[in-house]
Order: sequence, then C-alpha cells, then structure tokens
Amino acid sequence: AQSVTQPDIHITVSEGASLELRCNYSYGATPYLFWYVQSPGQGLQLLLKYFSGDTLVQGIKGFEAEFKRSQSSFNLRKPSVHWSDAAEYFCAVGAVGNEKLTFGTGTRLTIIP
Amino acid sequence: DSGVTQTPKHLITATGQRVTLRCSPRSGDLSVYWYQQSLDQGLQFLIQYYNGEERAKGNILERFSAQQFPDLHSELNLSSLELGDSALYFCASSVGVNNEQFFGPGTRLTVL
Repeated sequence: AQSVTQPDIHITVSEGASLELRCNYSYGATPYLFWYVQSPGQGLQLLLKYFSGDTLVQGIKGFEAEFKRSQSSFNLRKPSVHWSDAAEYFCAVGAVGNEKLTFGTGTRLTIIP
Repeated sequence: DSGVTQTPKHLITATGQRVTLRCSPRSGDLSVYWYQQSLDQGLQFLIQYYNGEERAKGNILERFSAQQFPDLHSELNLSSLELGDSALYFCASSVGVNNEQFFGPGTRLTVL
C-alpha cells in the first residue's frame, strides 16, 4: 500500500527566508507525486506535480520540488517566502492504475515578519 | 477557482439524519473523486467515479454511498449520521485517469 510521510507538523519561517518542506513516500512502482496547498477555510490548490522525466519540477507561486528516487523523497522548496505563503501543505502520491491520492498529514507553515 | 463546485458550503444536521452533498466537476472532466478531511483521520479517499461508473473505493463506510449522473455531476449520500462523521468533504475531478486532481472548496458537515 502506498503511504506518505510529512515529518514536520509545523514549521515557522521568517519572511524572505528560504523554505524546504519534507515529504517521503512509499510505493512499489513509479509514483505520481503532488504538492497541494490549503489556506484556512479553503479547498486544496495544486502547486506542482511529478509524473516522469525531469526530477526537478516547477510549480506555481515560485515553488519547486525535486524527486529523489533513491531517497523516496519529494521535497518542496521556495527560495524566499512571502507572508501569503502561510498555509497547510500536503504531499500526495498516486500511481498508474491507482488514481486515488494518498495524502500525508500535512505541514502547517507560519511566516513571521 | 479550480472550476469544481460543491454545494452546500456548510451543513449542520443531527445524528441519525441523512444528507446529500453535490459536486459538479470541471467542464470536460470525466473522473470525480470524494475525500473526507477530519482532524483525527486527515485527508482520506472515499470513492472515485469515471464517466458514470464506480472505479475505485477507499475507506468509505457502508452508510455512505455515491453516484455520478449522466451530466457527470456527482452526489455523496451520508446516512445514519454520527458525531464522528463531522468533517470537510471534498470533491475533486480530473480529465481522465492518472491525471492531476482539481479540488472543490469542500462541504463542511457538522453533526450535532
């Protein structure tokens, strides 16, 4: 069965600082990997996705993520965070023939001025 | 705005009651997914429909059922409601299978 681990429940970063959110997945075959963001009281917005090819993927709002098969990781990065990035971030895994998404428990990001 | 719409936005009901949540997918999307988000269980996949047919089932209780209609909108029916069913219910849609899913704003269900 597929699973996703987001080891950091809560991260606090200063505005303008760099950010890295960790995600580790478990799946036997080649996974599809996603990062979603959820602002308070809102739905989930897709930030970026990895299906195949280049292991460094670019997303919206200046985010990027790198797929590392050897480490079973798909960490999300941003070089300089903005106050509007404060939200909950979810990593998810899907797969060929198994379209349901399995989500991690999320990482809540707080931005301090 | 993802293009996925869900109604109602909020629903407050009592234990033992039955409710229906509605979802309209993005134009052209054939797949609809239902997820439940609760504090103790996180985000969990419930069920998927593709072009009117059930395609995958997750941790969906027997008290819950869903369907997708010919116009591709979907409904999630929750019956014999319990306090523990209080959660955010999300609908998502995708063009086909194995595509990224676009989520609606959710329906917040409160069971009193």
